Amino acid sequence: DAGITQSPRHKVTETGTPVTLRCHQTENHRYMYWYRQDPGHGLRLIHYSYGVKDTDKGEVSDGYSVSRSKTEDFLLTLESATSSQTSVYFCAISEEIGNTIYFGEGSWLTVV
Amino acid sequence: GQNIDQPTEMTATEGAIVQINCTYQTSGFNGLFWYQQHAGEAPTFLSYNVLDGLEEKGRFSSFLSRSKGYSYLLLKELQMKDSASYLCAVRDNYGQNFVFGPGTRLSVLP
Repeated sequence: DAGITQSPRHKVTETGTPVTLRCHQTENHRYMYWYRQDPGHGLRLIHYSYGVKDTDKGEVSDGYSVSRSKTEDFLLTLESATSSQTSVYFCAISEEIGNTIYFGEGSWLTVV
Repeated sequence: GQNIDQPTEMTATEGAIVQINCTYQTSGFNGLFWYQQHAGEAPTFLSYNVLDGLEEKGRFSSFLSRSKGYSYLLLKELQMKDSASYLCAVRDNYGQNFVFGPGTRLSVLP
């Protein structure tokens, strides 16, 4: 299994509060991704990173920001959580562009 | 635009063979991937096709026809543990993004 750890694994938060999810990898892979998974929509890309301090937006980036200050860590922040951001969030990594991506265990977020 | 279609649910019997289809219309194509996802768990990589034809990997095979925008995943000798969702994903031209289909939930019955 790829060495990917997500934290927290489960979180309940209130509308309007900021939330940060952390993804930590021990594989030294260059590319890191944040996806959300919702019933009927499949996995959708929020943001991705192609190196330290290099990030770009995905399909559903509104309301989210990311940071990558070290190769091993990729943070996803919900600036002001809304109920529509209740979802399962998966971090993924790949060694090089175009390679297979491998997923972390997921973070279940509920916004009430 | 990006559109990937899969059947929502399928049911099959232990020991049988099942074929899960995936059709795609995407703005770019650089490979098609299949993932397995058990309930409450992360997706795990199963197979990858970039050229037309069949790729076999044990009990699992995946087929691709780029001209038809079509792929299928074939599972043989079904086991109860194969009950899971199967996700089809297309990698775009730049390789930076994987577009996922909604997934097919497979139930294997005794």
